[in-house]
Amino acid sequence: DTEVTQTPKHLVMGMTNKKSLKCEQHMGHRAMYWYKQKAKKPPELMFVYSYEKLSINESVPSRFSPECPNSSLLNLHLHALQPEDSALYLCASSQEGRQGNSPLHFGNGTRLTVT
Amino acid sequence: AQTVTQSQPEMSVQEAETVTLSCTYDTSENNYYLFWYKQPPSRQMILVIRQEAYKQQNATENRFSVNFQKAAKSFSLKISDSQLGDTAMYFCAFSNAGNMLTFGGGTRLMVKP
Repeated sequence: DTEVTQTPKHLVMGMTNKKSLKCEQHMGHRAMYWYKQKAKKPPELMFVYSYEKLSINESVPSRFSPECPNSSLLNLHLHALQPEDSALYLCASSQEGRQGNSPLHFGNGTRLTVT
Repeated sequence: AQTVTQSQPEMSVQEAETVTLSCTYDTSENNYYLFWYKQPPSRQMILVIRQEAYKQQNATENRFSVNFQKAAKSFSLKISDSQLGDTAMYFCAFSNAGNMLTFGGGTRLMVKP
């Protein structure tokens, strides 16, 4: 069982749709992350929230909009995506934003397909 | 910038045998952390083992152990008594204290019955 829960597991959306990915953790972690992973590639960092504030945005296009309503929840709002945005989106959390001292805990991911 | 290299895109091993996955990295830092993550078909990235660079003793977690060679900037993962459930993608990763993870390209391991 994963301690980081992501919903939905799978999502198919058209390029004009608006959808949201959700992530939840109850380990008291104060840092949460969104990663994008293409097939047979390592995860690529998109966003980092530390103490509910956006601390890192890795030059992600504005069609991806993160939100951290509270320390346990992390959303990723999607709008006007492109087919090349199809990927596995992984959420992760850590006790703090310094990953050396506090390793990441990942969810099972959302498999996104943009048609 | 740090780089992490996994030179073996794919490997296979017979069940119950031992396999070693290679990882090299490049950094000018002296204080850092190294990780091996496992990603099975279930997709979840699972931390297998972690090594602090200031510790000379190699980390061990049950059947998993590392050979950390700081001077050579090498961090290999040894899996003993391989099990079918070890079939997965394995990612080596590097982190400075305070910085984000840098992942290697991954090694796909297949354990054969």
